[in-house]
Amino acid sequence: GNSVTQMEGPVTLSEEAFLTINCTYTATGYPSLFWYVQYPGEGLQLLLKATKADDKGSNKGFEATYRKETTSFHLEKGSVQVSDSAVYFCALSDRGNNRLAFGKGNQVVVIP
Amino acid sequence: DAGVIQSPRHEVTEMGQEVTLRCKPISGHDYLFWYRQTMMRGLELLIYFNNNVPIDDSGMPEDRFSAKMPNASFSTLKIQPSEPRDSAVYFCASRLAGGQETQYFGPGTRLLVL
Repeated sequence: GNSVTQMEGPVTLSEEAFLTINCTYTATGYPSLFWYVQYPGEGLQLLLKATKADDKGSNKGFEATYRKETTSFHLEKGSVQVSDSAVYFCALSDRGNNRLAFGKGNQVVVIP
Repeated sequence: DAGVIQSPRHEVTEMGQEVTLRCKPISGHDYLFWYRQTMMRGLELLIYFNNNVPIDDSGMPEDRFSAKMPNASFSTLKIQPSEPRDSAVYFCASRLAGGQETQYFGPGTRLLVL
């Protein structure tokens, strides 16, 4: 079945540091890939998405590239801000399947 | 659009009581999803509807949980009787048809069962 794996544990970093959150997936078809962000006390919001191999999704300084050869969709941001502190979820949607498969999420804490 | 609307935002109840959570999806969306989020289990899909019809309820924990969608603009998730282990944040999400479409989440209902 479809599944998403995110790196274990929270991520703590200083303001203006480089952020990477790893995401790998297993899927039977040609999935669309998503990153969602959840700010404290709120629901999940779409951060970016990519619908086919080699596509790059980007938003608010975040980027992720759909890598079919490594089945990965790593999230990156060059210079984080305190306001980026949130939980980040990687997810996939197989075109033949109406469900989203979510990773466990990563808590990101940015320290001033 | 106002986005996905959920009510109540917070609910505190005692074990054994009935709890009803409500969701209004984005107008025109074909799919509606109910999720539960806990620290231990993360984000779990409970059930989803297409055009008001339940398609997959395999994530519903047990018979104490039931969900309905009487029309395109309203859905409920009911827990009867509630138990402390049902304490969680419950999210509703909706989206248009099509595998590439984005799911839009509501703000969630934080449920505490004492």
